Amino acid sequence: DVKVTQSSRYLVKRTGEKVFLECVQDMDHENMFWYRQDPGLGLRLIYFSYDVKMKEKGDIPEGYSVSREKKERFSLILESASTNQTSMYLCASSSLYADTQYFGPGTRLTVL
Amino acid sequence: AQSVTQLGSHVSVSEGALVLLRCNYSSSVPPYLFWYVQYPNQGLQLLLKYTSAATLVKGINGFEAEFKKSETSFHLTKPSAHMSDAAEYFCAVSTGKLIFGQGTTLQVKP
Repeated sequence: DVKVTQSSRYLVKRTGEKVFLECVQDMDHENMFWYRQDPGLGLRLIYFSYDVKMKEKGDIPEGYSVSREKKERFSLILESASTNQTSMYLCASSSLYADTQYFGPGTRLTVL
Repeated sequence: AQSVTQLGSHVSVSEGALVLLRCNYSSSVPPYLFWYVQYPNQGLQLLLKYTSAATLVKGINGFEAEFKKSETSFHLTKPSAHMSDAAEYFCAVSTGKLIFGQGTTLQVKP
């Protein structure tokens, strides 16, 4: 079974803090994704990566950056957290030419 | 541009009743279509996917969906709802990356 894990299920941070969300997959997948999920808006793609050290902006990259130093790990970084970044963050992975994405359990981030 | 519209943000059915969750898509090329389910406090789990092999797709937990090109629809159905089906359901289209609908919360009443 594909397993995608995220470092925290719940996280509370203060405005202005630097926040790291970590995601690890164990299926040797080339593609990894970060989404945020908000009520009524579904999932929106923040960034994705199709190889180590490669990254592409998704639909809502502003205020976020990513890092992929190893194939199995994809990090989402909030350089200076703001209250409007309070959300559920979901990580996913897929193999290079496959459309099916496998999701982690999510991190619910609250920025106070 | 591709898009997905899920009709109805909340659907409520009685246990044992038919479940029908609606999804319409727009795509300029033949799409791959997906339904994902999200149980409370969990990530998304793939229910089923359409990849042009057959228009009626069977998924897990008794769900199925029918691709209708003429209607640009991919509605999800289950003949008899169970309490454990209560969750949020997302339709998605892929022509390179996944585009998700807004989600539909399914409530199952005893």
